[in-house]
Amino acid sequence: DAKTTQPNSMESNEEEPVHLPCNHSTISGTDYIHWYRQLPSQGPEYVIHGLTSNVNNRMASLAIAEDRKSSTLILHRATLRDAAVYYCILRSGGGADGLTFGKGTHLIIQP
Amino acid sequence: NAGVMQNPRHLVRRRGQEARLRCSPMKGHSHVYWYRQLPEEGLKFMVYLQKENIIDESGMPKERFSAEFPKEGPSILRIQQVVRGDSAAYFCASSPTRDVYEQYFGPGTRLTVT
Repeated sequence: DAKTTQPNSMESNEEEPVHLPCNHSTISGTDYIHWYRQLPSQGPEYVIHGLTSNVNNRMASLAIAEDRKSSTLILHRATLRDAAVYYCILRSGGGADGLTFGKGTHLIIQP
Repeated sequence: NAGVMQNPRHLVRRRGQEARLRCSPMKGHSHVYWYRQLPEEGLKFMVYLQKENIIDESGMPKERFSAEFPKEGPSILRIQQVVRGDSAAYFCASSPTRDVYEQYFGPGTRLTVT
């Protein structure tokens, strides 16, 4: 799987939008961009994924750059329960393989 | 629909003993993945299994570790002759088919080797 680069940590205020960046300059044409998050002392949780077009679901939005070398996970209105480590992961088309987790971004939410 | 279940949640073993970690995937899921998270580190993929078959064990240590997913019953991750370095959180994930992209994770088993 291609490598991703994320900031080690970010801080935001409750009820404000959060934009979590991810760089993946070596992404291939068949790589999907996935986001997972891990709350303290819990297993990871799927957030969202996309290939080329921007995606929205009940948890978040995923904005993908036109050249696909970067993407941004958007939490529209952060709550204290969104405090977690967020992982940006690339997966080859077909999707059945194991996930390659990096260090992720530790998101801190201030009340 | 119950989520992925793992037991035990906490396991303490002395050096040299065996550890058996169990994972029951979500109902209808036939694909299971095991990951290990060492203290202060990210998750590392260990093994991917389908019912009765090991599909990818590229992340599994060559010695002392084994995994199975029998036709009936949970998936088992077995660690023989545990050492202190095996202390970690072990997570299991499942997915329904090869083409579904999301993996659903269990709460993990925290193994402590004394």
